[in-house]
Amino acid sequence: DTEVTQTPKHLVMGMTNKKSLKCEQHMGHRAMYWYKQKAKKPPELMFVYSYEKLSINESVPSRFSPECPNSSLLNLHLHALQPEDSALYLCASSQGVTNQPQHFGDGTRLSIL
Amino acid sequence: AQSVSQHNHHVILSEAASLELGCNYSYGGTVNLFWYVQYPGQHLQLLLKYFSGDPLVKGIKGFEAEFIKSKFSFNLRKPSVQWSDTAEYFCAVNAYGQNFVFGPGTRLSVLP
Repeated sequence: DTEVTQTPKHLVMGMTNKKSLKCEQHMGHRAMYWYKQKAKKPPELMFVYSYEKLSINESVPSRFSPECPNSSLLNLHLHALQPEDSALYLCASSQGVTNQPQHFGDGTRLSIL
Repeated sequence: AQSVSQHNHHVILSEAASLELGCNYSYGGTVNLFWYVQYPGQHLQLLLKYFSGDPLVKGIKGFEAEFIKSKFSFNLRKPSVQWSDTAEYFCAVNAYGQNFVFGPGTRLSVLP
């Protein structure tokens, strides 16, 4: 079992809906990440939080809005998504941003109708 | 910027065959290297990592990898694969001050 917990596991939403993905870790890690993974492709980095501050935004459209309420939680708020946003969204955490392996959650499989 | 390539898109082996998956990276400085595995429907799991020291690193489930600095390579090996090793394997590189970068992945299918 992974030590990074993501909810929900599956999400189906319409293009006008607003929903949120949640991620939680209790390993004391200070860096947390959101990745997007399409089928049979590697994860693509979306956002990096370091010590609860957004440090990297890889040119992600504004319809994705990350939030880090505290050092254990990471949210991804979704609004007005497009069908091409359907993918597996992975959360990861590490002790620091560099020089540390990342631990991944199971992901949320998102389908946009 | 760093980049990672993996030689094979899809590898098919019979059980007990030996495995070697290639990984090359492009970055001139010091890097940390990782191999992750993703079993069907499961999360990415760390197989092994290299930061410094002995270039031959041993990981979980009988996997090992060798860092060859002169070749910018970090190939994954296993002497005898099992059906349960069927999965997607990703090589990843992390240089100081750079993002984590994943290779495109190699799908391994082990036939019983």
